[in-house]
Amino acid sequence: SQTIHQWPATLVQPVGSPLSLECTVEGTSNPNLYWYRQAAGRGLQLLFYSVGIGQISSEVPQNLSASRPQDRQFILSSKKLLLSDSGFYLCAWRPPNSPLHFGNGTRLTVT
Amino acid sequence: AQTVTQSQPEMSVQEAETVTLSCTYDTSESDYYLFWYKQPPSRQMILVIRQEAYKQQNATENRFSVNFQKAAKSFSLKISDSQLGDAAMYFCAITVDSNYQLIWGAGTKLIIKP
Repeated sequence: SQTIHQWPATLVQPVGSPLSLECTVEGTSNPNLYWYRQAAGRGLQLLFYSVGIGQISSEVPQNLSASRPQDRQFILSSKKLLLSDSGFYLCAWRPPNSPLHFGNGTRLTVT
Repeated sequence: AQTVTQSQPEMSVQEAETVTLSCTYDTSESDYYLFWYKQPPSRQMILVIRQEAYKQQNATENRFSVNFQKAAKSFSLKISDSQLGDAAMYFCAITVDSNYQLIWGAGTKLIIKP
């Protein structure tokens, strides 16, 4: 079966520290992958999406970057976190002809 | 560009009753998909129901159904026989993109009164 794993579930990081959130998908190949951010009480904001290895599209210019080193791996990174990077981050993938399926999310608090 | 509007920040309903959540959207495309996602307190995002714009028949999934009015660009979600487990944020979304970039509404918080 197809599953998506996202970790860590919770993260507290100081301002200026680096960030790495990882997302992997099992049971499929060449999925479209997505990173979303959700501020408290707000809707989802698409940050990045990828249609293949090394192919990253950025929707919002910001302090974050994404990489796809392997077909089923999608990484969200930052060199130096800002307070405004706090939020709930969701990874998602899309099977062919199907809606998005989401990971369980990472709650990031930047202190 | 596409936009999605959920005009009800919060709704409440008595357990076992029916509630309707509103969603309007704007797009110049004729072919698109509409979704309702549910986000319970666990924060996991769960697909509730999907509607293809080319289908006139309203989608249904058990107690969940939609009222899709294409001309009015309206896509409301009806929850019948509300249960305590239905309490969540509900998000409406649209995609017209082959890469499936969803445009999201701001969400409606649904409260179920026991």
